[in-house]
Amino acid sequence: GESVGLHLPTLSVQEGDNSIINCAYSNSASDYFIWYKQESGKGPQFIIDIRSNMDKRQGQRVTVLLNKTVKHLSLQIAATQPGDSAVYFCAERHGNNDMRFGAGTRLTVKP
Amino acid sequence: DTAVSQTPKYLVTQMGNDKSIKCEQNLGHDTMYWYKQDSKKFLKIMFSYNNKELIINETVPNRFSPKSPDKAHLNLHINSLELGDSAVYFCASSQGWDEKLFFGSGTQLSVL
Repeated sequence: GESVGLHLPTLSVQEGDNSIINCAYSNSASDYFIWYKQESGKGPQFIIDIRSNMDKRQGQRVTVLLNKTVKHLSLQIAATQPGDSAVYFCAERHGNNDMRFGAGTRLTVKP
Repeated sequence: DTAVSQTPKYLVTQMGNDKSIKCEQNLGHDTMYWYKQDSKKFLKIMFSYNNKELIINETVPNRFSPKSPDKAHLNLHINSLELGDSAVYFCASSQGWDEKLFFGSGTQLSVL
């Protein structure tokens, strides 16, 4: 069936380095994508979103890239900080269907 | 002020009991959701609801039922709790179906 998945379940980076978290999706009709950050004991928190009519969107220290040709989504975090340590989820939606989440990637930032 | 709040934060109960989790949002959103997060952190949609439509994930047992007394609330009722119901349950809301979700802080349900 259709699914949203992640290439890397865990990622460890040095403080100050850039982080890249990847996500593959299989529903070519998906038109809205979101990255969420979940810290321990908390609910998922919105980071950045992108619609299918775009291929790149930038926020504060974060960039989302969408490659519809290969159905790939990535989240880039610049100058990663200890506070960025969390589980990151990509999510996708097609039209009015439910928001479907990927399996999550745990990002650990080493001081 | 917390945008999406759910209570209780922790819920420990015996098998066979009936329990409820409450959710309230003060964002003025018209759509609310319940998600279940398992021990592997996988988030799975259970219900999507606005004042016109309830969408139920077909894999959710009918022991689970959402109740919405008004637009700002979507409570989750669970009958005859089972061990496999143990998980973290998240309430969320959005302005319309096609917008980002705002999540509550979760309810850790433990069924003994």
